Amino acid sequence: KAGVTQTPRYLIKTRGQQVTLSCSPISGHRSVSWYQQTPGQGLQFLFEYFSETQRNKGNFPGRFSGRQFSNSRSEMNVSTLELGDSALYLCATSSTDGYTFGSGTRLTVV
Amino acid sequence: SQQGEEDPQALSIQEGENATMNCSYKTSINNLQWYRQNSGRGLVHLILIRSNEREKHSGRLRVTLDTSKKSSSLLITASRAADTASYFCATEENNTDKLIFGTGTRLQVFP
Repeated sequence: KAGVTQTPRYLIKTRGQQVTLSCSPISGHRSVSWYQQTPGQGLQFLFEYFSETQRNKGNFPGRFSGRQFSNSRSEMNVSTLELGDSALYLCATSSTDGYTFGSGTRLTVV
Repeated sequence: SQQGEEDPQALSIQEGENATMNCSYKTSINNLQWYRQNSGRGLVHLILIRSNEREKHSGRLRVTLDTSKKSSSLLITASRAADTASYFCATEENNTDKLIFGTGTRLQVFP
């Protein structure tokens, strides 16, 4: 079965711009969660969606938002980018045996 | 911060040796999971241990969980160069689909 697909793999943006990242979960999985990984803060939970509804949210500013579509694909958006938003953004789907992660999108803000 | 702590931060061993990593966490949990990450790529799920379990094995991996001490350990036996990676523990809190990760251990296995 196909895994979790994240696009794009790499992205370079300028401060002040906005960015949209995409995640397609494993077929049939309805939960998608997003994480940010930075050298300083490690892996931090952003938010989690299930059946198009946000169920959990981490401690990130309102510039970070997301949504989920009826086919379970999810997008996250970061507006007014700051240098500190440079990170690896990972999405995952869950099952009773654990989470399956995508390969991530590496965002660099210059 | 709710983030868990792992030690050691870094570990270097020779092929064939065992590697032990420890994880401490802060809240009540449903389960604790271990993940591996190669060079800043995606996380690969290794093993999940539920809060009512004390020990679990999977191939060369052995995980223990002590909920009274809020701690877990991951043992990799007979390590290989291909085990070189960062290892993270993650806890799933009760009634949430949210993982709280530890700080990670960087394991280097020399051939």
